[in-house]
Amino acid sequence: SQTIHQWPATLVQPVGSPLSLECTVEGTSNPNLYWYRQAAGRGLQLLFYSVGIGQISSEVPQNLSASRPQDRQFILSSKKLLLSDSGFYLCAWSFTNLWGSTEAFFGQGTRLTVV
Amino acid sequence: GNSVTQMEGPVTLSEEAFLTINCTYTATGYPSLFWYVQYPGEGLQLLLKATKADDKGSNKGFEATYRKETTSFHLEKGSVQVSDSAVYFCALSLIQGAQKLVFGQGTRLTINP
Repeated sequence: SQTIHQWPATLVQPVGSPLSLECTVEGTSNPNLYWYRQAAGRGLQLLFYSVGIGQISSEVPQNLSASRPQDRQFILSSKKLLLSDSGFYLCAWSFTNLWGSTEAFFGQGTRLTVV
Repeated sequence: GNSVTQMEGPVTLSEEAFLTINCTYTATGYPSLFWYVQYPGEGLQLLLKATKADDKGSNKGFEATYRKETTSFHLEKGSVQVSDSAVYFCALSLIQGAQKLVFGQGTRLTINP
């Protein structure tokens, strides 16, 4: 069966420090991978998605970047964190079946607090 | 563009009340539709889905019917429980080159005993 791992679960970082959040998927090949951010009391904002190694699409301009060095690894990074980067970050993967239906599976999330 | 609009929250109900959370969508193609649930401090879990018009997704007493004519996918449950307290997200997916999942803003549901 497929599983998705996301770490760390919580993180407190000072303003201006770097960030690296990692997400790995097991049990599937060539998944679509996503990073979402959920600000307090708000909905999900799609930050990045990837359909293959080295292929990253950014949805919104921001202080963050993403990389996909391996098929089932997706990394969210920042060189210098801002206070506004605080939030709940969710990694997800999806597949499309023969009928064109996509279903997404989410990690447990990382709560980032920038202080 | 593609978008999902959900009923504004928060929604507070008493146990055993009837629940409806409205969801409408705009899509340039023929999307699949989903409801996800997020319990406190956790990631999202798929609650139910529908892939074509008039399909009804159901799970844990929740139901939603894919209505193409009204571009809606409203979530319903006949009798809610305290354990249903969570944030509910409506979402769509389309295959347009890359598969993207578009979520609504989420509706926070609180059930009081």
